[in-house]
Amino acid sequence: ETGVTQSPTHLIKTRGQQVTLRCSSQSGHNTVSWYQQALGQGPQFIFQYYREEENGRGNFPPRFSGLQFPNYSSELNVNALELDDSALYLCASSLDLVSGELFFGEGSRLTVL
Amino acid sequence: AQKITQTQPGMFVQEKEAVTLDCTYDTSDPSYGLFWYKQPSSGEMIFLIYQGSYDQQNATEGRYSLNFQKARKSANLVISASQLGDSAMYFCAMREGLGSGTYKYIFGTGTRLKVLA
Repeated sequence: ETGVTQSPTHLIKTRGQQVTLRCSSQSGHNTVSWYQQALGQGPQFIFQYYREEENGRGNFPPRFSGLQFPNYSSELNVNALELDDSALYLCASSLDLVSGELFFGEGSRLTVL
Repeated sequence: AQKITQTQPGMFVQEKEAVTLDCTYDTSDPSYGLFWYKQPSSGEMIFLIYQGSYDQQNATEGRYSLNFQKARKSANLVISASQLGDSAMYFCAMREGLGSGTYKYIFGTGTRLKVLA
């Protein structure tokens, strides 16, 4: 139990649609990062939020966007879904920017048809 | 160029024996962090161990130790006394600075470990 919860656990969308994935971090963790993990691959860093502002971004297009809220929850939004967006999306929280440990949720598995 | 390289797609180890999972990294950032995570079939990533680039001692956490060789840019994970529950996917990861206090995390492609009874 990491104390990080994600919803929904599974969802199916069609190409062109939009999706919002949610994450509830551990209380007191002011840093959250999101990852995309395609089948058989390692997680790919999407972006990180620190105190409600984006603080680092990987090689993902602008249709991947996020929000972090004061209550330690966050969202990942993906617009104009493509087939290649099918993956496990992982959220991870940490105490601060330099903390050594990321606490991951169990992920949201997105299938785009 | 790969920033994190895990050259062993799969490994087998006999129960109670030790196993080393290899990881090499590439960065020009003098301040970075190295991590190992375990991912069971359930999907959740479980933190195992962390090594900071300025740490003088190799990190240890119970049965896990990190063999940090800075000059060779390697950060191998050693699991001692393997248990059946250690069977999982193992990822090496690096946190590197992007400048201005921003960071990003890079994961390797993973090594699937199977512990044999």
